[in-house]
Amino acid sequence: SQTIHQWPATLVQPVGSPLSLECTVEGTSNPNLYWYRQAAGRGLQLLFYSVGIGQISSEVPQNLSASRPQDRQFILSSKKLLLSDSGFYLCAWSGRAYEQYFGPGTRLTVT
Amino acid sequence: AQSVAQPEDQVNVAEGNPLTVKCTYSVSGNPYLFWYVQYPNRGLQFLLKYITGDNLVKGSYGFEAEFNKSQTSFHLKKPSALVSDSALYFCAVRDPFNTGFQKLVFGTGTRLLVSP
Repeated sequence: SQTIHQWPATLVQPVGSPLSLECTVEGTSNPNLYWYRQAAGRGLQLLFYSVGIGQISSEVPQNLSASRPQDRQFILSSKKLLLSDSGFYLCAWSGRAYEQYFGPGTRLTVT
Repeated sequence: AQSVAQPEDQVNVAEGNPLTVKCTYSVSGNPYLFWYVQYPNRGLQFLLKYITGDNLVKGSYGFEAEFNKSQTSFHLKKPSALVSDSALYFCAVRDPFNTGFQKLVFGTGTRLLVSP
């Protein structure tokens, strides 16, 4: 069966510091991968998606970037965090079926 | 472009009563529709989907949803609510006729509170 992992689970970082969040998927190959941000426990904002290694599409211009160095690894990064980057970050994957499956999330607080 | 609306910010229901969480959609063709549930500080869990076929779809934890093409709706239902069903529920849509990468468009979420 497939499993998706995210780490860390929680993170408190000062403004201006770098960020690296990691997501890995097990039990499938060549998944589509996604990064979402959820603010205030409600709506989901799609940040990035990837259909393959090195292929990243950005949905909104912002202070973040994403990379996919391996087939089942998706990384969200920032060089300098802003207060507005605080939120709950969710990674998801999809395969041949149409639904997406989500990881447990990372709670990021920028202070 | 496809869109989905969840008109209720919150739904309150007593344990043992039936529950309905509403969702309406807008797509150019026949939609692919999904429901997810999110518990506090957790990721979204997939509940059920409608792709084609029977308009009544059964999913996890006793939930079901009814696809109504004429009303462009996909309401989530459960015959008897449990306190443990209290969570945030998201409806999502995918337009299979939309060219380009197929993304899910999520609603803003409905908070379900089931009282003992």
